[in-house]
Amino acid sequence: QKEVEQNSGPLSVPEGAIASLNCTYSDRGSQSFFWYRQYSGKSPELIMFIYSNGDKEDGRFTAQLNKASQYVSLLIRDSQPSDSATYLCAVVGDNFNKFYFGSGTKLNVKP
Amino acid sequence: DVKVTQSSRYLVKRTGEKVFLECVQDMDHENMFWYRQDPGLGLRLIYFSYDVKMKEKGDIPEGYSVSREKKERFSLILESASTNQTSMYLCATNEQGRKNIQYFGAGTRLSVL
Repeated sequence: QKEVEQNSGPLSVPEGAIASLNCTYSDRGSQSFFWYRQYSGKSPELIMFIYSNGDKEDGRFTAQLNKASQYVSLLIRDSQPSDSATYLCAVVGDNFNKFYFGSGTKLNVKP
Repeated sequence: DVKVTQSSRYLVKRTGEKVFLECVQDMDHENMFWYRQDPGLGLRLIYFSYDVKMKEKGDIPEGYSVSREKKERFSLILESASTNQTSMYLCATNEQGRKNIQYFGAGTRLSVL
């Protein structure tokens, strides 16, 4: 049973639209939640992290966490072609050491 | 800026060879991790270490071993490389504790022929 589930996509959105990426997790004790962006052939880079229920905004990015429903999402406003990448959701359990990664959602932003 | 350096970007080895992948971090982080990433399978944890000389198996440790003799360096060893170990290998590091963002090295793409 996978710990973290993501739709593999690809998710295609036109330039300027809102891209919505979703992730569900199985461990109710999870404490920390991360979104990473990974360009083809490159390593993951951190986009957002969130620890508490609700929304967290950083520029064009908003992370949303709902612990009761065990999902975390990433919204990208005013999507740009440079946002085209695979987005990985990561969840950390209560031991704060072990990360569980989803397999990623591929996003295509069309000019 | 956290710097996580992996010794090689690309590596080609033959079946049966012993392979060393090195990772060095400059942020004095306690935790270090080795993952492999394959298409459709995402990131899978091989081993991690939370202190010098300490190690724990991840989800897929078979065929691998690790060494952490110094805090800044974490090595992944393939004792006898096989073709099914062809993959992208990623090293990561973080501090212990709740605000534990993981930082990744650039990755090593290993091909075993």
